[in-house]
Amino acid sequence: AQSVTQPDIHITVSEGASLELRCNYSYGATPYLFWYVQSPGQGLQLLLKYFSGDTLVQGIKGFEAEFKRSQSSFNLRKPSVHWSDAAEYFCAVGARRGGNEKLTFGTGTRLTIIP
Amino acid sequence: GAVVSQHPSWVICKSGTSVKIECRSLDFQATTMFWYRQFPKQSLMLMATSNEGSKATYEQGVEKDKFLINHASLTLSTLTVTSAHPEDSSFYICSARVFRDRDTEAFFGQGTRLTVV
Repeated sequence: AQSVTQPDIHITVSEGASLELRCNYSYGATPYLFWYVQSPGQGLQLLLKYFSGDTLVQGIKGFEAEFKRSQSSFNLRKPSVHWSDAAEYFCAVGARRGGNEKLTFGTGTRLTIIP
Repeated sequence: GAVVSQHPSWVICKSGTSVKIECRSLDFQATTMFWYRQFPKQSLMLMATSNEGSKATYEQGVEKDKFLINHASLTLSTLTVTSAHPEDSSFYICSARVFRDRDTEAFFGQGTRLTVV
């Protein structure tokens, strides 16, 4: 069974500082990997995804993530955070089949930005 | 990107009544949609997979008679919470997958906040 672990429940970062959110996954084959962001009371917005190819993927809003197979990780990074980045971030894994497989989400990391 | 619209955004209902939540794919056809439930400050838990023209597939522990899912068309899936109770109060989110060539992406509705009083 696939699973996702986000070790950090809550992270506080100063505006302008760099950010790294951790994500570790467990899956028997090469997975599809996603990062989503959720603002309070809202649905999820896709930040970026990894399917194949270059292990460093670029997303929206200046985010990037690196797939490291040896570490089963897909950490999200941003060089300089903005106050508007405060939200809940979810890492998710999906099966690498072409069907309608479900996504499994991590428990999320809440990001707080301080001035 | 594709748009998934969920309605209503929030609803308050009395205990014992039923509530229907709609999930529409606005600019694409979705043979499969997913329904998630999210408790405050927790992750999304998959409740069921909704398949157009057939019965939904429920995750273990989800009462199919309580959470009725209907996927009658390629653009609409509905979740009906029957005989709602306060413990059903939660944030419900639907999702649809879009397949492009060998790529796939999930798009989410904006969610429905259900409060049962």
